[in-house]
Amino acid sequence: AQSVTQLDSQVPVFEEAPVELRCNYSSSVSVYLFWYVQYPNQGLQLLLKYLSGSTLVKGINGFEAEFNKSQTSFHLRKPSVHISDTAEYFCAVSADSWGKLQFGAGTQVVVTP
Amino acid sequence: DGGITQSPKYLFRKEGQNVTLSCEQNLNHDAMYWYRQDPGQGLRLIYYSQIVNDFQKGDIAEGYSVSREKKESFPLTVTSAQKNPTAFYLCASSHRRHDEQYFGPGTRLTVT
Repeated sequence: AQSVTQLDSQVPVFEEAPVELRCNYSSSVSVYLFWYVQYPNQGLQLLLKYLSGSTLVKGINGFEAEFNKSQTSFHLRKPSVHISDTAEYFCAVSADSWGKLQFGAGTQVVVTP
Repeated sequence: DGGITQSPKYLFRKEGQNVTLSCEQNLNHDAMYWYRQDPGQGLRLIYYSQIVNDFQKGDIAEGYSVSREKKESFPLTVTSAQKNPTAFYLCASSHRRHDEQYFGPGTRLTVT
């Protein structure tokens, strides 16, 4: 069985400061990893994904994430946030034979001036 | 433009009534999914379908039903047996397994 833990439920950050959102997963098989963003009362939008290859993945809006197999982590980073980055961020893993996604509980990012 | 549409955006029902949420996609995706979102709990899978006329229960299927008669459509019925139906419901689709999922804008259901 697979599971996803997002270690922070809320992350306050000042505008133009860096941010890191932590995600750990557990799975006994190979995994595919995703980060999604959700703005209030909207659906989810894909930020980036790791399927294979380079462990450093670059996504949209200046976000990047690093897959660390030994630590079973997939942390999301952005070097300088904007007010518009205020949103909820979800880490997800696909590992079973069919490919269903298991989502973490989400991290609310609040960017203030 | 390709995408997923869900209607309506907001839905209000009285307790004891069944209600059907619409989900349509024009992405030509084989797989479709329904999720329920509650504050602080992330997304939980209700039902999923890999192909027309076939669907499987997810983690929280009790009190819900679905159909997949067409590739483009995957409606979800919230029945009166669902004990706590008030939530935000999201529909998604993907081309193949392990692919990214594309999400609709969601339907917020309130049952009183």
